[in-house]
Amino acid sequence: DIQMTQSPSSLSASVGDRVTITCRASQSISNYLNWYQQKPGKAPKLLIYSASSLHSGVPSRFSGSGSGTDFTLTIRSLQPEDFATYYCQQGYSSPPYTFGQGTKLEIK
Amino acid sequence: EVQLVESGGGLVKPGGSLRLSCAASGFTFGDFSMNWVRQAPGKGLEWVSSITTGRSHTFYADSVKGRFTISRDNAENSLYLQMNSLRAEDTAVYYCTRQTKLSLYWYFDLWGRGTLVTVSS
Repeated sequence: DIQMTQSPSSLSASVGDRVTITCRASQSISNYLNWYQQKPGKAPKLLIYSASSLHSGVPSRFSGSGSGTDFTLTIRSLQPEDFATYYCQQGYSSPPYTFGQGTKLEIK
Repeated sequence: EVQLVESGGGLVKPGGSLRLSCAASGFTFGDFSMNWVRQAPGKGLEWVSSITTGRSHTFYADSVKGRFTISRDNAENSLYLQMNSLRAEDTAVYYCTRQTKLSLYWYFDLWGRGTLVTVSS
């Protein structure tokens, strides 16, 4: 099974900052990588698929990059509503559709 | 409105059973693979089970294999998860998710609000 590892596990930042979250796969997954955002008490929402494609309605300050085993989610100019937990998910192979352990983005 | 609504969660004793349901609306349910994803209190997301379209092939996480059964009724636009031999570690919010495929890529683009399952004596 493919394992997904995110770093850091938590991150403090201020409104207006640029932040980067990293996700690493245990084997190459080409660009079959999804990112989700989850706010407390809410269901996750899809942000990015195929490593860099923005899902409909997602603000352009979110961007994704990477291929193979290393991926990044970047949020340019943090907004108050961006403070949440972010998960990566491999979309390469058949199940299990593994998620990373999550990165909690908190207000500094 | 395009949505998924889960139901059937609750408190159950270890070793007991529960059946979760997910009602889909606003899209052609039979055209999509569907999944269950769970989240234990204060923990991350864990994929639980998947069911395809057509012949309804099913897949399970090792942690639930042999105890949980996923099924669907396309006529009723509904997804189900039969959970048997429940353990304390199955305590979680269970989300129903739609799996959308675009060319070679797929992703979970629609999620329900979740239903809480608590396994405790």
